[in-house]
Amino acid sequence: NAGVMQNPRHLVRRRGQEARLRCSPMKGHSHVYWYRQLPEEGLKFMVYLQKENIIDESGMPKERFSAEFPKEGPSILRIQQVVRGDSAAYFCASSPPSAGRTDTQYFGPGTRLTVL
Amino acid sequence: KNEVEQSPQNLTAQEGEFITINCSYSVGISALHWLQQHPGGGIVSLFMLSSGKKKHGRLIATINIQEKHSSLHITASHPRDSAVYICAVRSRGSEKLVFGKGTKLTVNP
Repeated sequence: NAGVMQNPRHLVRRRGQEARLRCSPMKGHSHVYWYRQLPEEGLKFMVYLQKENIIDESGMPKERFSAEFPKEGPSILRIQQVVRGDSAAYFCASSPPSAGRTDTQYFGPGTRLTVL
Repeated sequence: KNEVEQSPQNLTAQEGEFITINCSYSVGISALHWLQQHPGGGIVSLFMLSSGKKKHGRLIATINIQEKHSSLHITASHPRDSAVYICAVRSRGSEKLVFGKGTKLTVNP
């Protein structure tokens, strides 16, 4: 059972370009979370998705950022018109469907975005 | 004040020493996580706690719900334990994790 997969692992973009980050959750997991780690800072929650639904996007910047988790395929975090301040490590985590709320989240290796 | 505070921020130990990292939080929680972030950046989930104590190998995690405090202990520390240890809490009624800033542990041979 492969772990959470993220690609690309490293992404370089120039200011104004678009960045697309992909996350494939663990097999059988239907909950996906995106987190951002700015240089020298802690992890911050961005968005929580279930298949085809955004459940909590309270940590997402209001502009330029969007996320989706389609019925088929990976979850995508999309950043339009990137700026230098978007340079960070973006981590995805997944957890299984559960009636309770005490499931471990399994983290992917992260995508390191550098904006030139 | 951050919702999740960790101490110490940095910790240097000699191989074999007993290590304690502390985490205090200010909100009601449904679960607390301890994570390990390696120098290469990957994150591994070590423990998830909602009460009591858990042990895995040389690692022990405890939580006191009344005191809103958790500790991560490492017995017989080893240089390969060098990493950043992160405490994260899930507030009641929420799915998202709120993270501490991490404790950078360096274990010297």
